[in-house]
Amino acid sequence: SYELTQPPSVSVSPGQTASITCSGDELGNKYVSWYQQKPGQSPLLVIYQDALRPSGIPERFSGSNSGNTATLTISGTHTMDEADYYCQAWDSSAAVFGGGTKLTVL
Amino acid sequence: QLELHESGPGLVKLSETLSLTCTVSGDSISSTRFYWAWIRQPPGKGLEYIGTMSSGGSSFFNPSLKSRVTLSVDTTKNQFSLRLYSVTAADTAVYFCARQHYSTSWEIDYWGLGTLVTVSS
Repeated sequence: SYELTQPPSVSVSPGQTASITCSGDELGNKYVSWYQQKPGQSPLLVIYQDALRPSGIPERFSGSNSGNTATLTISGTHTMDEADYYCQAWDSSAAVFGGGTKLTVL
Repeated sequence: QLELHESGPGLVKLSETLSLTCTVSGDSISSTRFYWAWIRQPPGKGLEYIGTMSSGGSSFFNPSLKSRVTLSVDTTKNQFSLRLYSVTAADTAVYFCARQHYSTSWEIDYWGLGTLVTVSS
């Protein structure tokens, strides 16, 4: 079965740029979505189709996908961006989620 | 504004069947642009896809759960449902219902608040 691999944790200082990676076999040939989940809340879609932002998502969130790696980039990270982030792709008629990355802003 | 709300028992006995319903408001479940999905999250762990269904009956499943899952849609009530058979302690999780785009990217743009289901012996 298809697998997506994310680093368990990423740390960033406020105002700096955070990059969260998601790796999978030929992932660049698939569309990737990214979700933000804060404690006790439902996930929130922040990026879809590799690089598109839903309405209401700040411009500091961006995405890319090439080769075997997709990347979520948060520019000028705010303390409110501290959360778990999950990548997701569609493979063999099923959704696949990465294991999640805890972003710490300190 | 679209809202999804999960409902069902919070406690299920070992080896029995977990049954949840998601009520959709603010949009018709019969829309051909969207499919309707279930995702779960064990306590302290990551997201796990369960399955997706359209109002027309098309469905997709996580291969690891497919043999134990039934999905259904009731367009008259604007609801869709999940049944998970022969549950074990590993099925204890927060279960989310969600709306999924019928597109090349299949993103999930609306989620319910989630409901915790505990499997007990």
